[in-house]
Amino acid sequence: EAEVAQSPRYKITEKSQAVAFWCDPISGHATLYWYRQILGQGPELLVQFQDESVVDDSQLPKDRFSAERLKGVDSTLKIQPAELGDSAMYLCASSLIGVAEAFFGQGTRLTVV
Amino acid sequence: KQEVTQIPAALSVPEGENLVLNCSFTDSAIYNLQWFRQDPGKGLTSLLLIQSSQREQTSGRLNASLDKSSGRSTLYIAASQPGDSATYLCAVSSGSDSNYQLIWGAGTKLIIKP
Repeated sequence: EAEVAQSPRYKITEKSQAVAFWCDPISGHATLYWYRQILGQGPELLVQFQDESVVDDSQLPKDRFSAERLKGVDSTLKIQPAELGDSAMYLCASSLIGVAEAFFGQGTRLTVV
Repeated sequence: KQEVTQIPAALSVPEGENLVLNCSFTDSAIYNLQWFRQDPGKGLTSLLLIQSSQREQTSGRLNASLDKSSGRSTLYIAASQPGDSATYLCAVSSGSDSNYQLIWGAGTKLIIKP
């Protein structure tokens, strides 16, 4: 069964270091989402791509976060420099154009120390 | 602005009971509503998707209903099992064909006691 792949599953990094997460969506899914989820809360959208274009990054802290999806397939989310408050689960999801059902990866658990 | 609320935040019931989880939303102009399950430290698993034109969807012991006019959805779990213990989140989808947005509830943490 097709699934959204994310790596790494877990990441521990020191404050002020750079960290990157990778996501490979389900084949053929043009829409890709990056979410951040703090324990006990619902996911918060960081950035949404349609193919290689960003359609919503209004909640992305652009001074330290960046995201790209150069060929409209896989995507990378980067944080530089990481702060203690960035510790959270980072989730990637994808969906087809015109169909809103979203499928999620297993997430990357980030701990900043 | 669409807001999604899930009540209660946590629920603990004995094994075998039937139970209902609630999700409410403020704007009825939605495309669909999804229910997700999340195990501790894991990603989200889609359980059921209800299109705006539908009233309910069923999968095994799960049944989800949608009443758009009142802004409510329920997830019914029959004959609950300890393995059903997880956090259940609902999300509503709104927008255009090229830009859907998912608006999330904070989830209901469900504990099924053996």
